[in-house]
Amino acid sequence: DGGITQSPKYLFRKEGQNVTLSCEQNLNHDAMYWYRQDPGQGLRLIYYSQIVNDFQKGDIAEGYSVSREKKESFPLTVTSAQKNPTAFYLCATTPRQGVPLHFGNGTRLTVT
Amino acid sequence: GQSLEQPSEVTAVEGAIVQINCTYQTSGFYGLSWYQQHDGGAPTFLSYNALDGLEETGRFSSFLSRSDSYGYLLLQELQMKDSASYFCALLNTGFQKLVFGTGTRLLVSP
Repeated sequence: DGGITQSPKYLFRKEGQNVTLSCEQNLNHDAMYWYRQDPGQGLRLIYYSQIVNDFQKGDIAEGYSVSREKKESFPLTVTSAQKNPTAFYLCATTPRQGVPLHFGNGTRLTVT
Repeated sequence: GQSLEQPSEVTAVEGAIVQINCTYQTSGFYGLSWYQQHDGGAPTFLSYNALDGLEETGRFSSFLSRSDSYGYLLLQELQMKDSASYFCALLNTGFQKLVFGTGTRLLVSP
């Protein structure tokens, strides 16, 4: 059945290492988004993509990178330049202008 | 820029009605949507207002007033399972990106 798959659910890394979070969708949605959520906080937009081979920075893009080589996939790389990478990362898609947003189950990243 | 403000926490008892407000500042947007998030989980879509007025979906209703830059989510017949965080969100017409509010934690007690 259709959905959004984020993997892994939990991820642990040492400081200074780059790490890539996977997001795959089979909903045939054009737009894909990456959000970051810190404990007790709201969702902040990292990157978004409206179409294959195109993406834009969100509000907190520094220290992150993305690619959109296929419609189904929008991986997020958390680089060593990200000063405080420990957070809950959510991938989302939408078939049209922002409504409704379908979320994956998230990846909880811990960097020590 | 754009911003959406919500009360940080709301408490209510089972069976009651509660309203969660969302005030926003933006130059233009397509509509206001609402999401529910239980602890440790992903947000799920609840409701959307493209036009001013009230939208009803079961126990949940959402309202939008563009002239007042204000919206709200109304939850009726509260149940314990409604204890969660609720976020309003809007899509800015200029930037095509969805921005979320600060979130409201709803605590429902017996």
